[in-house]
Amino acid sequence: DAKTTQPPSMDCAEGRAANLPCNHSTISGNEYVYWYRQIHSQGPQYIIHGLKNNETNEMASLIITEDRKSSTLILPHATLRDTAVYYCIVNQAGTALIFGKGTTLSVSS
Amino acid sequence: EPEVTQTPSHQVTQMGQEVILRCVPISNHLYFYWYRQILGQKVEFLVSFYNNEISEKSEIFDDQFSVERPDGSNFTLKIRSTKLEDSAMYFCASSVHRDFLSDTQYFGPGTRLTVL
Repeated sequence: DAKTTQPPSMDCAEGRAANLPCNHSTISGNEYVYWYRQIHSQGPQYIIHGLKNNETNEMASLIITEDRKSSTLILPHATLRDTAVYYCIVNQAGTALIFGKGTTLSVSS
Repeated sequence: EPEVTQTPSHQVTQMGQEVILRCVPISNHLYFYWYRQILGQKVEFLVSFYNNEISEKSEIFDDQFSVERPDGSNFTLKIRSTKLEDSAMYFCASSVHRDFLSDTQYFGPGTRLTVL
């Protein structure tokens, strides 16, 4: 079973920031927090990952709480093409990714 | 930008037939994975492969499944005798090396397998 908890769905207006929460209260010290998304039935697309520091790349920002028990993925200016299922996964290098049901983000104009 | 490729994009087969799904991982990657997603369900891990042997497998990956790296570029998943319930999207993924503290897996576009 997935070690993370995410809301099943969220809505966001185009151009606004989308903040997707994730709880991972049982994360262990050598596990990273990964975010992927899946558009329709395409292959999961890597977005960002982090250990304990906040991270930012060209796609998104990742905010991890100090106790590492939760995190938030931020899409700063959501577009219609960001409509997808977003998965938060805790993972140790070289091991299987365990996918949950994720959060279905709907971006509307 | 390097990417994982998979062929074919769609495979239709009769129940009981053998199928081989092919993947070309990113060239400098050493860890390879297969996942599947039955329509409307979660993405499920099948198997991981490193240094020419299986490093981890799930309960789904039974004797009907096998993986192989037949040459320096391809990574294949074989299903010996397909069943209706094998109908799914099959995703290949690759990552650089497990000794890195974090090791991002990159996914291919998938092969849709339909068993009739």
